[in-house]
Amino acid sequence: GESVGLHLPTLSVQEGDNSIINCAYSNSASDYFIWYKQESGKGPQFIIDIRSNMDKRQGQRVTVLLNKTVKHLSLQIAATQPGDSAVYFCAENKGTGNQFYFGTGTSLTVIP
Amino acid sequence: EPEVTQTPSHQVTQMGQEVILRCVPISNHLYFYWYRQILGQKVEFLVSFYNNEISEKSEIFDDQFSVERPDGSNFTLKIRSTKLEDSAMYFCASRLTAGNTIYFGEGSWLTVV
Repeated sequence: GESVGLHLPTLSVQEGDNSIINCAYSNSASDYFIWYKQESGKGPQFIIDIRSNMDKRQGQRVTVLLNKTVKHLSLQIAATQPGDSAVYFCAENKGTGNQFYFGTGTSLTVIP
Repeated sequence: EPEVTQTPSHQVTQMGQEVILRCVPISNHLYFYWYRQILGQKVEFLVSFYNNEISEKSEIFDDQFSVERPDGSNFTLKIRSTKLEDSAMYFCASRLTAGNTIYFGEGSWLTVV
């Protein structure tokens, strides 16, 4: 079956540094990807998305990179702040399917 | 900003009891979902619903689960006879069209004792 996995379960960064969270996916048919942020006890919150016809997309302080050749997705957070501390999930969607598959998550801790 | 709302935020139920979790998706959205997250684990797909019927379901969504859209605004998940392993956070989500982002509610935390 399909799987979406994350390389590192935890990541600690100093406040102000940039963070990079990685994600590997296995389904080459996936054509739409979303990064979600989940704070403790809350629902996944949309951060940024990217479609398979792009390799980079930028938002406010966040950038998502997609490498379809190696089926790899990354989320870069610039000038990481304490409020960025959360679990980050990538999720993939096949164009023909309705559901998203989630990875196991990376816990980001920002050290003040 | 429109959001998905869920009730209750937390429910404690005895094993074997029926539970109904309620959701109000974003008003103009057409696709509705239930996901589950056991404490400390990843978000797992349960079921998707479109055009008044289930469009996909996972192996987790067995006969004890059912979904319903009883009116134009609510979307419910019923667990017929709860088991201890049903204890989890249940997230409702909705999506405008098939190619768009899924937006999640804040979740309903179910504890089965």
